[in-house]
Amino acid sequence: GAVVSQHPSRVICKSGTSVKIECRSLDFQATTMFWYRQFPKQSLMLMATSNEGSKATYEQGVEKDKFLINHASLTLSTLTVTSAHPEDSSFYICSARGAWGPRGGYTFGSGTRLTVV
Amino acid sequence: QQPVQSPQAVILREGEDAVINCSSSKALYSVHWYRQKHGEAPVFLMILLKGGEQKGHEKISASFNEKKQQSSLYLTASQLSYSGTYFCGTVSGESNYQLIWGAGTKLIIKP
Repeated sequence: GAVVSQHPSRVICKSGTSVKIECRSLDFQATTMFWYRQFPKQSLMLMATSNEGSKATYEQGVEKDKFLINHASLTLSTLTVTSAHPEDSSFYICSARGAWGPRGGYTFGSGTRLTVV
Repeated sequence: QQPVQSPQAVILREGEDAVINCSSSKALYSVHWYRQKHGEAPVFLMILLKGGEQKGHEKISASFNEKKQQSSLYLTASQLSYSGTYFCGTVSGESNYQLIWGAGTKLIIKP
């Protein structure tokens, strides 16, 4: 089945530094990548949607200059949290959809637990 | 607009049955069901595409009533491994075919 590899699984960084999270689709081409964040005991909140080779579309309230998304290839998408602050601490998850489009499932990465100290 | 899931939480004893409902105010293209365990990413259970469609996955099955814009997830003879938070995700043309998540239903299975 479709597999998405996400890393790192956990990262602790100092306030003011930047963190990059990678998601790779291992056995399919991820034409669309979704980036979510999830706070404890809450549902997944969509941050942005990116299509390969295009600029990401950000949800309302998500700062595009702070959360940089790159989807330069069909197998790799990255999320960079720039100048991270403690309030950015959260669980970040990517989800990929292949060329099958919305008729098929979405494959999730294993998530990244970010802690900013 | 976020689909509405009910109940918010349910506690069962092993072997009991549960139903989780998901309803939307929009005309739906598909409904997705996922289970998430604490600290892990959601795991795909099933997707329902057609009105009236039903699917089964071991002892977990689901139905999708397109006219009512509702879906239900049925867990029969629950096992300890079924514990987790269940999310429905809905896709509609109005949401540009993005997956919109419900708030989740926490399921606790006790021995």
